[in-house]
Amino acid sequence: AQTVTQSQPEMSVQEAETVTLSCTYDTSESDYYLFWYKQPPSRQMILVIRQEAYKQQNATENRFSVNFQKAAKSFSLKISDSQLGDAAMYFCAYAYSGGGADGLTFGKGTHLIIQP
Amino acid sequence: EADIYQTPRYLVIGTGKKITLECSQTMGHDKMYWYQQDPGMELHLIHYSYGVNSTEKGDLSSESTVSRIRTEHFPLTLESARPSHTSQYLCASSEYRSGVRGYTFGSGTRLTVV
Repeated sequence: AQTVTQSQPEMSVQEAETVTLSCTYDTSESDYYLFWYKQPPSRQMILVIRQEAYKQQNATENRFSVNFQKAAKSFSLKISDSQLGDAAMYFCAYAYSGGGADGLTFGKGTHLIIQP
Repeated sequence: EADIYQTPRYLVIGTGKKITLECSQTMGHDKMYWYQQDPGMELHLIHYSYGVNSTEKGDLSSESTVSRIRTEHFPLTLESARPSHTSQYLCASSEYRSGVRGYTFGSGTRLTVV
């Protein structure tokens, strides 16, 4: 079975600075997807960024980028120019890319605090 | 704006009551899921569905049941609520190849059983 580990329960960063959230995972599959989701106090789960395992190029979405290291099974999220609105719980998640409905496997989350 | 809707948003109910949490999506997605988020914020898959008349139990054992009579509708029922069921319940859906466009989540139902 696959597992996702987020080793940082909480991170704090000054507004406008850069922060990196860590995620490692374990799977025996070669084809899968990885995601970062953001959950603000409203509890809505919002997709931040996704990465396809077969793509070597790291995904980027505006201020958000990932460092995907397939051999090391590592998938970190970098947030540049942090803004107050980035404060939230961040979840790393894995999904097998084959058919079926196995759903997402989540890490335990990292609580990101933005200091003004 | 989310195309998956959950009602109610908040629910406080007494022990022993029967409750149904509603989830509907307008995207025509085949696959739907229920996640339970405990007070420590961990997310656990409790039910999923491949499509109409398909339901499966997830990784975390749950006393709840689900049904999928229509593609767009995936309600979750607790026959007899208990304080241990107090949690946030998140519904999600995806296309058949789930990773292509990811998963869409509803706003959740925060359930408190007193």
